[in-house]
Amino acid sequence: RKEVEQDPGPFNVPEGATVAFNCTYSNSASQSFFWYRQDCRKEPKLLMSVYSSGNEDGRFTAQLNRASQYISLLIRDSKLSDSATYLCVVNTNYGQNFVFGPGTRLSVLP
Amino acid sequence: EAGVAQSPRYKIIEKRQSVAFWCNPISGHATLYWYQQILGQGPKLLIQFQNNGVVDDSQLPKDRFSAERLKGVDSTLKIQPAKLEDSAVYLCASSSYDRIEGGGYTFGSGTRLTVV
Repeated sequence: RKEVEQDPGPFNVPEGATVAFNCTYSNSASQSFFWYRQDCRKEPKLLMSVYSSGNEDGRFTAQLNRASQYISLLIRDSKLSDSATYLCVVNTNYGQNFVFGPGTRLSVLP
Repeated sequence: EAGVAQSPRYKIIEKRQSVAFWCNPISGHATLYWYQQILGQGPKLLIQFQNNGVVDDSQLPKDRFSAERLKGVDSTLKIQPAKLEDSAVYLCASSSYDRIEGGGYTFGSGTRLTVV
């Protein structure tokens, strides 16, 4: 089993739609969780951290369920500019490196 | 602040040739990472440096890949000899944290390697 798994995608949604991405991780000792965004042929950039209590940043909501080892990202009112690959990232070696999931590609269509 | 600088941006080589990539991290960032990202996959850590010491190189194919970070600043990643499956984007990242709880990675724009 891979350390971090994500919905295979791609997701093609119309503008204004709500879309949710799911991510699971295998290491129960994982400490920190993040969502990164990667545009085509660009480097990954931090979108948001994921906190145990859940957190929201504008149209983006992240949730963490430690018991189920599950992370989610919800995007409301999708914009064309949201089209990108969304990478689930887990810090599995306390204080050290990140493990990236394979990513889920989102295309928001006009 | 200036970002993470990488060069070259693109490189095409024949299999069995050697290639080197260079990274200059953000000033003051003690931790430097090299990642390999194969098309359609997430980045995979190759090696992590803390200052000029190696913290984790467990996924570095040491028979052909090597990396160094002299004086704890710039870093080079070398592949010798290259194989077709090494075709990927090589991303360098740096961080100011020892414990990366704030997601404090900054990636460079990467070097796209094509081995033919």
